[in-house]
Amino acid sequence: EAQVTQNPRYLITVTGKKLTVTCSQNMNHEYMSWYRQDPGLGLRQIYYSMNVEVTDKGDVPEGYKVSRKEKRNFPLILESPSPNQTSLYFCASRISGVGGELFFGEGSRLTVL
Amino acid sequence: GENVEQHPSTLSVQEGDSAVIKCTYSDSASNYFPWYKQELGKRPQLIIDIRSNVGEKKDQRIAVTLNKTAKHFSLHITETQPEDSAVYFCAAADTGRRALTFGSGTRLQVQP
Repeated sequence: EAQVTQNPRYLITVTGKKLTVTCSQNMNHEYMSWYRQDPGLGLRQIYYSMNVEVTDKGDVPEGYKVSRKEKRNFPLILESPSPNQTSLYFCASRISGVGGELFFGEGSRLTVL
Repeated sequence: GENVEQHPSTLSVQEGDSAVIKCTYSDSASNYFPWYKQELGKRPQLIIDIRSNVGEKKDQRIAVTLNKTAKHFSLHITETQPEDSAVYFCAAADTGRRALTFGSGTRLQVQP
């Protein structure tokens, strides 16, 4: 089954404790992206990757890191989480380019105390 | 960068009525405009999209219109049903930046 898989789905952590949210897709998609969803603000892009070893900042990259060492994986790293990073995070992928359907993972709800 | 504004933030209609959600964008270079539906507790899913060389696109009860001159596009849902209740997001893509910018979402509630 074609899918985007995120882990963990739910996480409560404390300020400053490094964490990684993993994302994996099995559709051989070139493009992958991370979004955060906050009430009233919609989906805001954190980082995206056009292909292996190619990443770029989205609209809200501060406090986050990403890497794309393999085509299927695109982890989101919070080196020193802060309470303002409490949010619902979505990983997404599409085959390539700009147009075309973006396939989302199920989301990861992160709470930073 | 691109800025997408979406209105209204909430919309309540009676079953069978039509619903219209409107979006405006700022970057005249944007040429791809998808709409996503997010049911409660679920992931967003694409329901329809339109490219700048087309003024209107329909798929059964949903349609999207695009006015490039005015930089706005709209989602039209006819004969609404309770299962249409969800949050709808518009988006615009800037080909040069290869980024997809979403609007803030519209919560549609269809009253039976």
